[in-house]
Amino acid sequence: EAQVTQNPRYLITVTGKKLTVTCSQNMNHEYMSWYRQDPGLGLRQIYYSMNVEVTDKGDVPEGYKVSRKEKRNFPLILESPSPNQTSLYFCASSSRGRQRNEKLFFGSGTQLSVL
Amino acid sequence: AQTVTQSQPEMSVQEAETVTLSCTYDTSENNYYLFWYKQPPSRQMILVIRQEAYKQQNATENRFSVNFQKAAKSFSLKISDSQLGDTAMYFCAFIKIQGAQKLVFGQGTRLTINP
Repeated sequence: EAQVTQNPRYLITVTGKKLTVTCSQNMNHEYMSWYRQDPGLGLRQIYYSMNVEVTDKGDVPEGYKVSRKEKRNFPLILESPSPNQTSLYFCASSSRGRQRNEKLFFGSGTQLSVL
Repeated sequence: AQTVTQSQPEMSVQEAETVTLSCTYDTSENNYYLFWYKQPPSRQMILVIRQEAYKQQNATENRFSVNFQKAAKSFSLKISDSQLGDTAMYFCAFIKIQGAQKLVFGQGTRLTINP
């Protein structure tokens, strides 16, 4: 089954404790991205990647890191989480990033709470 | 920068009624795509419908249709014969063909279908 898998689905942590949210897709997609969803703000892009070793900032990259060492994986790293990073996070992928009307496949989301 | 505005934070209708969700956007681009995504309580992001800006004909998908007014930069979603399963958060989204590869989302409209 074609899917984007995010883990964990729920995460509670404390300020300053490094964490990684994993994202993996099994569709051989070149394009992958991370979004955060906050009430009243919709979804905002954090980072995206057009292919292996190619990443770029989105609208809200501060406090986040990403890497794309393999085509299928695109982890989101919070080196020193803060309470303002409490949010619902989505990973997404599509087959050809340059085709802007290509369907985005979303993961099931990770609800992060930073205390 | 592109912006997407959904001016209705919440809406509620009776089952079988028709409901229209509003979306306006601001861009200087001439070529772009517009989308409506549905997010049920499961948090899954589901593509409902998409529209190419260069097409004058409004997109339709079964009970879902759009009213795309390019000059007015308006992109409303009409749900006919609404069903209980249509209860969800709905997001309008925009992506331009050239430049940064990102979806710009509106704030969302929470739609409740009452029995």
